[in-house]
Amino acid sequence: SYVLTQPPSVSVAPGKTARITCGGNNIESKSVHWYQQKPGQAPVVVIYYDSDRPSGIPERFSGSNSGNTATLTISGVEAGDEADFYCQVWDSTSDVVFGGGTKLTVL
Amino acid sequence: QVQLVESGGGVVQPGRSLRLSCAASGFTFSNYAMYWVRQAPGKGLEWVALISYDGSDKNYVDSVKGRFTISRDNSKNTLYLQMNSLRTEDTAVYYCARDTTPMVHGLGAFAYWGQGTLVTVSS
Repeated sequence: SYVLTQPPSVSVAPGKTARITCGGNNIESKSVHWYQQKPGQAPVVVIYYDSDRPSGIPERFSGSNSGNTATLTISGVEAGDEADFYCQVWDSTSDVVFGGGTKLTVL
Repeated sequence: QVQLVESGGGVVQPGRSLRLSCAASGFTFSNYAMYWVRQAPGKGLEWVALISYDGSDKNYVDSVKGRFTISRDNSKNTLYLQMNSLRTEDTAVYYCARDTTPMVHGLGAFAYWGQGTLVTVSS
């Protein structure tokens, strides 16, 4: 089965840029979706189809996908961005895979 | 606005059964594939099951195959998860979620999520 690998944690100072990676074999051939989950809340999709941003998600959130790595980039990080982030793909039309999650800490 | 409200969680002994429900509103329920995703305490997200918009296609994560059954009643705008032979490792918050795109599954994101319902399997 397909495996997605994320770093357990990423730390960044306020105002700087955070990059969260999601590794998978030839992941560029798949559409990658990203979710933000704050403590005690349900996940929220922040990027879908590699780089599309749902309405209401700040432009500071962007995504890319190339080779074996997809990346979620958060520019001008704010304290309120602190959360767990998960990437997700479809392994087939009937199998869903989530990455293990990355905890973003704003220093 | 889109709303998904889960119910049916609780404390249950190992080997027993539980049925979760997810009441949907604010969109044409019968047009969207639906999903169950769970999160064990302090752990990451795990997809559990999917059902196509018309109920003709279903799939499950290997760890629940043969024990869990996903279903939907489009006349009641409700999604279900029947969980049998529960194990301690099934303890988690269970979320229902809706696809981004109508009439298809297998490509899109989980656009909307409920608030989750906690299932605790313990003797």
